[in-house]
Amino acid sequence: AQSVSQHNHHVILSEAASLELGCNYSYGGTVNLFWYVQYPGQHLQLLLKYFSGDPLVKGIKGFEAEFIKSKFSFNLRKPSVQWSDTAEYFCAVNGGSQGNLIFGKGTKLSVKP
Amino acid sequence: EPEVTQTPSHQVTQMGQEVILRCVPISNHLYFYWYRQILGQKVEFLVSFYNNEISEKSEIFDDQFSVERPDGSNFTLKIRSTKLEDSAMYFCASISKKVHTGELFFGEGSRLTVL
Repeated sequence: AQSVSQHNHHVILSEAASLELGCNYSYGGTVNLFWYVQYPGQHLQLLLKYFSGDPLVKGIKGFEAEFIKSKFSFNLRKPSVQWSDTAEYFCAVNGGSQGNLIFGKGTKLSVKP
Repeated sequence: EPEVTQTPSHQVTQMGQEVILRCVPISNHLYFYWYRQILGQKVEFLVSFYNNEISEKSEIFDDQFSVERPDGSNFTLKIRSTKLEDSAMYFCASISKKVHTGELFFGEGSRLTVL
């Protein structure tokens, strides 16, 4: 069965610090990978997605993620975080014939001004 | 920008009561989903719905749950006899194609509290 692991439960950074949130998945076939963000009091929004091609994908608000197939990873990065990046970040995977997303537990990011 | 809307935003109910959560997906979307997130836990898939029938459901989606699209616009999740462990945030989502070709659009969620 597919699963997604996000190892960091809560990350606290100061503004301008660099961010990397880990995401590992387990699935042996072709996968599609997503990062969603949930700002306080708001709905889940897509940050970026990987289907195929360049393993380094760029999303909104300066975020990017790198798909490393050999490591089954899809880590999210941002060179310099802002206070407005405070949110919960969810990695998700969809593979095979499934029509649904499998989410990780989420990582809460708190950015101190 | 079109969006998925959900009502109510928060419902408090007594154990054993029936609850209906409502969702209005984006109008030209064809696939509809319910997910839930118990406090502090991961977002979990409940059910997907396409062409007026369930296409997939998870182990969580037992006989207490049902979904329907009664009028071509609303997409409802019914819990027949709520249990304490049903307390969670329930998210509706929709997509124009199967999710492996695009992104899910989520509503803001309905928080259910079962007392």
